Amino acid sequence: KNQVEQSPQSLIILEGKNCTLQCNYTVSPFSNLRWYKQDTGRGPVSLTIMTFSENTKSNGRYTATLDADTKQSSLHITASQLSDSASYICVVSIRGSQGNLIFGKGTKLSVKP
Amino acid sequence: GAVVSQHPSWVICKSGTSVKIECRSLDFQATTMFWYRQFPKQSLMLMATSNEGSKATYEQGVEKDKFLINHASLTLSTLTVTSAHPEDSSFYICSARQMAFMNTEAFFGQGTRLTVV
Repeated sequence: KNQVEQSPQSLIILEGKNCTLQCNYTVSPFSNLRWYKQDTGRGPVSLTIMTFSENTKSNGRYTATLDADTKQSSLHITASQLSDSASYICVVSIRGSQGNLIFGKGTKLSVKP
Repeated sequence: GAVVSQHPSWVICKSGTSVKIECRSLDFQATTMFWYRQFPKQSLMLMATSNEGSKATYEQGVEKDKFLINHASLTLSTLTVTSAHPEDSSFYICSARQMAFMNTEAFFGQGTRLTVV
């Protein structure tokens, strides 16, 4: 069964601290893995998209890693800001499908002053 | 990045009435659009996939006669919730892609909060 599991479910950190969110998947055949940020009551916004051959990709203070062998990904947030408070969703795309995306349930991050 | 606009952002309607939600790709032609539903603290659940000019493909368990999807142009898809009931209250999100396959980006609308009273 194609699944995407994220951990932790929720996380509270102080402003300025770093954090790492985890994503494990059992999707096959794999096409790519995306991390999205979703503010409450808003649609998801793409942070990174990684293919099978990519191990790491950065977007400002966000750095995503992918280990296609162990089917794990992480999203590292550096020097967190209050505006980083949101849900972070890991999404895996099935290769060959018409854009079929498997969504994780997300990690709710709260950054406190 | 590309912009997908969804309208309205929120709507309240009475039971039994119908509600139409619009999804527009503002600066690209979307051959494929996706409609999702998201319940509180849950992940996005794909409801249907629509291709311009053809009938939508619905996911298992989604009633096609209740959730009418029209993708009449390359920039507009609509979702109509017919005879809405309180259990239809949810957050509905559309997504659009320029191409159906490979690694093209999927851009999401800002979502529509539907409350049926």
